[in-house]
Amino acid sequence: TQLLEQSPQFLSIQEGENLTVYCNSSSVFSSLQWYRQEPGEGPVLLVTVVTGGEVKKLKRLTFQFGDARKDSSLHITAAQPGDTGLYLCAGALAGNNRKLIWGLGTSLAVNP
Amino acid sequence: DTGVSQDPRHKITKRGQNVTFRCDPISEHNRLYWYRQTLGQGPEFLTYFQNEAQLEKSRLLSDRFSAERPKGSFSTLEIQRTEQGDSAMYLCASSSGQAGENSPLHFGNGTRLTVT
Repeated sequence: TQLLEQSPQFLSIQEGENLTVYCNSSSVFSSLQWYRQEPGEGPVLLVTVVTGGEVKKLKRLTFQFGDARKDSSLHITAAQPGDTGLYLCAGALAGNNRKLIWGLGTSLAVNP
Repeated sequence: DTGVSQDPRHKITKRGQNVTFRCDPISEHNRLYWYRQTLGQGPEFLTYFQNEAQLEKSRLLSDRFSAERPKGSFSTLEIQRTEQGDSAMYLCASSSGQAGENSPLHFGNGTRLTVT
């Protein structure tokens, strides 16, 4: 059973465009993490959101945690080719912080 | 901090052979995880260690898979009688933190297994 739905699964855009990736669930998470993974490498943590309604910014990336802590979004402004990669969200279920629930990922290609 | 290291980076084996992978976590991290990932998909949880104790194991993990962390430092993942469906990237991750705390994971670059 997939507890964390991530969309879109694939995204190909031109340099300079904006995009948003979504993670949605019917479950409440105590925290949610966003990772980025490049081919042949392991995922690298971008940000952790903990509080409902929280917004965090990392340069051109804006992360938001839903008020009910069931969903999250990642918005990239003016995408660059260097943003290309697999974006993964992972949620910690309340009461079970030892194991993360992973989305299937969004494969982003930014074309110059 | 040298990060999480995994060995080997690539392994090609014939169906039916046994393989063993090694993971060296970040030295002060007490938690260690093994994941499996296929192309374009998110990581799939396999097992979790707190120090040397294996506290959780996925139901997806068949009896052919076994993991150890004998001294609470490095860990090994063994797959016996490999099958073509075992072909995947095997990722190790470590984290610090006390019980109830969800610390972010630090991943190694994985071992890519190809079973022919």
